[in-house]
Amino acid sequence: GENVEQHPSTLSVQEGDSAVIKCTYSDSASNYFPWYKQELGKRPQLIIDIRSNVGEKKDQRIAVTLNKTAKHFSLHITETQPEDSAVYFCAATGGGADGLTFGKGTHLIIQP
Amino acid sequence: DADVTQTPRNRITKTGKRIMLECSQTKGHDRMYWYRQDPGLGLRLIYYSFDVKDINKGEISDGYSVSRQAQAKFSLSLESAIPNQTALYFCATQMGGASPLHFGNGTRLTVT
Repeated sequence: GENVEQHPSTLSVQEGDSAVIKCTYSDSASNYFPWYKQELGKRPQLIIDIRSNVGEKKDQRIAVTLNKTAKHFSLHITETQPEDSAVYFCAATGGGADGLTFGKGTHLIIQP
Repeated sequence: DADVTQTPRNRITKTGKRIMLECSQTKGHDRMYWYRQDPGLGLRLIYYSFDVKDINKGEISDGYSVSRQAQAKFSLSLESAIPNQTALYFCATQMGGASPLHFGNGTRLTVT
């Protein structure tokens, strides 16, 4: 099955700086890569996703890049704000047969 | 989404008790999932179902069972609860492969 590695586990940045979270996956057949944000005590919420036929996708301050050859994808957050503080999860799915496999999460801390 | 409803929100039970967590959805999605979340371990797949007659084990199915009573309802049971099943449990739905999961609000289960 799919295996997703995510790092770092904790990331602290100054407000206004950029944050980058990286994930690798094992199944070359994986074709869908979402990112979820989870605030304390709440459910994970989708913030951005990318499919394997696309190399990069942006949505305002958030972007995701995908390198299929290296089997890794990254989340980029620019101009970080206090409300960006949360746990972020990457995930991957191959062929839809076994749901999404999640990374272990990154706790992003925005320092004032 | 309020469209994926989990009950109860919190539950405390004793070792050896049978317990059922329920999930219902109004999104009309065929695919439903149960995930478990533990600190530092991310979201791990317990069981999933692609339609009423389809049940599949996930990564950590031991000690759990499920029932898909209807397209809209997917229940998770712990036949004999043990303390290491203390965790936050999420139900999720999905329209199809390579698409986002939509999570319920979660059930926090404590086994004493």
